[in-house]
Amino acid sequence: DAKTTQPPSMDCAEGRAANLPCNHSTISGNEYVYWYRQIHSQGPQYIIHGLKNNETNEMASLIITEDRKSSTLILPHATLRDTAVYYCIVRLRAYTGTASKLTFGTGTRLQVTL
Amino acid sequence: NAGVTQTPKFRVLKTGQSMTLLCAQDMNHEYMYWYRQDPGMGLRLIHYSVGEGTTAKGEVPDGYNVSRLKKQNFLLGLESAAPSQTSVYFCASSYPSGGAEETQYFGPGTRLLVL
Repeated sequence: DAKTTQPPSMDCAEGRAANLPCNHSTISGNEYVYWYRQIHSQGPQYIIHGLKNNETNEMASLIITEDRKSSTLILPHATLRDTAVYYCIVRLRAYTGTASKLTFGTGTRLQVTL
Repeated sequence: NAGVTQTPKFRVLKTGQSMTLLCAQDMNHEYMYWYRQDPGMGLRLIHYSVGEGTTAKGEVPDGYNVSRLKKQNFLLGLESAAPSQTSVYFCASSYPSGGAEETQYFGPGTRLLVL
């Protein structure tokens, strides 16, 4: 799986959009970009994933550049409860009978402040 | 629907002692995983299972054994605990949809301290 690079920490004011970047310049054509977050030592929580199109769900939006070498996770209206470590993970599509082994880096620690 | 549960939540062991961590899921997931997380680090995969009766090694399997006798349970064993195994252990499960939509659901973690 391709390696990802994320800034170690970011701050965001409550109510503002949080934009978390991720660089994955060695991503291959059949690798997906996944985002998980971990709130204060709890188990990681799935947020969103995408291949090449932009994606949106109830939690966040994922913007992937046209060359797929980087992406941005957007939390449109950050709240204090969004304070967490955010992990950007690149992995191959999982086929039946294979396990989707996730490789976690050190992520970005997002601090949302009043 | 409890999701993924882990037992115990916290444990202190002396070097050389053994113990078993239990992971249970009620989502009828085929795949289950054990990760460890050391302070300031990301999660690392220890062992995983793609179905009842099957197990496989992950990134850091040494010093651990696993068993998947029932679909809903995945046990992680430490035969002779060492201080280097002090960590937080997370269990996860997923349903193999055969595509990228496979999402892992994590338990709350077990904090293990080996003295």
